[in-house]
Amino acid sequence: EVELVESGGGSVQPGRSLRLSCAASGFTFDNYAMHWVRQVPGKGLEWVAGITWNSGIIRYGDSVKGRFTISRDNAKNSLYLQMNSLRAEDTALYHCVKDRGRLEDILYYYGMDVWGQGTTVTVSS
Amino acid sequence: SGVTQPPSASGAPGQTVAISCSGSSSNIGSNTVSWFQLVPGTAPKLLIYGNDQRPSRVSDRFSGSKSGTSASLAISGLQSEDEAEYYCAAWDDSLAGWLFGGGTKVTVL
Repeated sequence: EVELVESGGGSVQPGRSLRLSCAASGFTFDNYAMHWVRQVPGKGLEWVAGITWNSGIIRYGDSVKGRFTISRDNAKNSLYLQMNSLRAEDTALYHCVKDRGRLEDILYYYGMDVWGQGTTVTVSS
Repeated sequence: SGVTQPPSASGAPGQTVAISCSGSSSNIGSNTVSWFQLVPGTAPKLLIYGNDQRPSRVSDRFSGSKSGTSASLAISGLQSEDEAEYYCAAWDDSLAGWLFGGGTKVTVL
C-alpha cells in the first residue's frame, strides 16, 4: 500500500526557516514525480511545488518562489521542502503528494493521486 | 486565470448532485481536470483524473466530465458519507503550475 508520512512541521516566528520531510513507501519512489500541496482552513488547497522523478524539472507556486526549495533523495525514498523567510500566510497543513505519471519528465499532465495526512506549519510572532 | 467552484451544494439521500468547475483557456481549456474529496481528519482522496477517469477503488457513483473551459463532478445516489469538500484541479500553462478551485462543500440533507 502506498504511504506518505510528513514530518517537520511546527510553530515558528515570521522570517525563520523550517524543513519538511516526507517518507514514502509502498511504491517505487524514484519512478514518480512528487508535489507539496498546502491546505489553509477556510481557504482551500494551494499547490506549492513539484519535482520530477530525477529532479530534472522543478516548479513552484508564485507565492513561494524564491523562498521555498523542493528536493528529493531517491536513495532514502524521501521528499523535502525547505521553507525560508516564512510569513504568517504560509500557515497551513502541508501535504506530500505522489504524481500519477511514471518516469515522465513533466509535471503538468498526469496529476496527483495519493496524498499524505499532512504536517502543520504555524507562522506567528 | 483562476478556477472557480460554487462554495456549497446539497441534496437529499439518493439524489444526484453536480459540482461545476469553471476555468479558462490556459487551464481547463487546454489541460485535463482532476477531482479530490476532502474529509476532515483524513488524507485527501483522488476521485477523478483525466477529466472522466475513475481510479479502481472509487465508487462508480462519482463521474466527471469536461466541455471547453468548464468541468463537472456528479455524485449520484447521494449518501451521508459523501458529505465532504470537493476540489477540482488543472495545470495552468500561463502560471506553469497546478491550480485548485476554491472547493465545494457538499451537504446531504
